Amino acid sequence: GAGVSQTPSNKVTEKGKYVELRCDPISGHTALYWYRQSLGQGPEFLIYFQGTGAADDSGLPNDRFFAVRPEGSVSTLKIQRTERGDSAVYLCASSDGTSGSTDTQYFGPGTRLTVL
Amino acid sequence: ILNVEQSPQSLHVQEGDSTNFTCSFPSSNFYALHWYRWETAKSPEALFVMTLNGDEKKKGRISATLNTKEGYSYLYIKGSQPEDSATYLCAPFTGGGNKLTFGTGTQLKVEL
Repeated sequence: GAGVSQTPSNKVTEKGKYVELRCDPISGHTALYWYRQSLGQGPEFLIYFQGTGAADDSGLPNDRFFAVRPEGSVSTLKIQRTERGDSAVYLCASSDGTSGSTDTQYFGPGTRLTVL
Repeated sequence: ILNVEQSPQSLHVQEGDSTNFTCSFPSSNFYALHWYRWETAKSPEALFVMTLNGDEKKKGRISATLNTKEGYSYLYIKGSQPEDSATYLCAPFTGGGNKLTFGTGTQLKVEL
């Protein structure tokens, strides 16, 4: 079956611009996660959705970052007034949300964001 | 902030060599440990989910062990092949939400 897909695969923008990154999870998965991987680091948690609601947004670095999942499927990560430090690979993952700590999170290929 | 350490940071081996890497994590409030393999330009791929002390999992030539009392896991690759070249990430799950906390990974390069 289809895995997690993310668009665009690459995004180059200028400092101060607004960007939207899209994630299509595996069909039927109720849980959706966003992570960010900066150079030399492991993926870092940003936000977790269960259904339409953000169950944990403790990883969002500041109020320039916002994510939505209005119909409990596709999610969009929105970044306002981008800064050079936002350059990273943004990963989305989904899981069936039934097994808690042992839920396997299935990842998309990521969106590489470059802020010039 | 959960401290997850992986070593070595990078590793170059010859085809056919066996190798292993380490993931260290706090042993308190432990629920599960996830291992992922991330090849360049692809999605991170789930390898194992481990929960019990002394647990051992195997998938082909790759295996992993878990020690929850001392807070570490080893990943072993037997007879490395060039297609094993990837970054191997571990991520303990310690409650407080559904997030995984990843280490910085071990980058493996298998040369012919």
